[in-house]
Amino acid sequence: GQQVMQIPQYQHVQEGEDFTTYCNSSTTLSNIQWYKQRPGGHPVFLIQLVKSGEVKKQKRLTFQFGEAKKNSSLHITATQTTDVGTYFCAGPGSGNTGKLIFGQGTTLQVKP
Amino acid sequence: DAGVTQSPTHLIKTRGQQVTLRCSPISGHKSVSWYQQVLGQGPQFIFQYYEKEERGRGNFPDRFSARQFPNYSSELNVNALLLGDSALYLCASSRDKNYGYTFGSGTRLTVV
Repeated sequence: GQQVMQIPQYQHVQEGEDFTTYCNSSTTLSNIQWYKQRPGGHPVFLIQLVKSGEVKKQKRLTFQFGEAKKNSSLHITATQTTDVGTYFCAGPGSGNTGKLIFGQGTTLQVKP
Repeated sequence: DAGVTQSPTHLIKTRGQQVTLRCSPISGHKSVSWYQQVLGQGPQFIFQYYEKEERGRGNFPDRFSARQFPNYSSELNVNALLLGDSALYLCASSRDKNYGYTFGSGTRLTVV
């Protein structure tokens, strides 16, 4: 079946270092969404990418959607302790079901 | 504006019992989705309802059912609870399929 995979599963960085998480889909996606979930919290929508090769920035966060629309990445420049959490990518399932298929997430720990 | 509200926040049930979880979407959002999130994993799609019709169903047994009311609020019912049903149940709403989802804080269900 359709799968969305993320690597790495965990990342520990020193505050100020950069961080990148990668997302790969087994199928071409019409769009990719990114969510952040703080420890004990719920997923919070960050962004949606729709176009092939699209790059979007939100302050220190840079999101990319691959040319083949099967992969995506999230890069955080100069991490801060407020960046701690699990970052999920999610793509729509096949058919008009409204289903989002989430990756297993990348958990980021930032040492002050 | 109030966000997506879910009740109850926590619940402890015994194996074999039945549970009903409730969700109110953001005002104006006609789509409500339900997800199950087990610790350490990404959310798994259970249902989506749009305009009171079931739009999609994930790979969950028939013990799981849901409905959406005329005011767009929704209920998720789980019958004959198993230990493996212990999870965070998340409700999400969206303006439509081209927008990201807003998640509620979830209901933490523990089955003992």
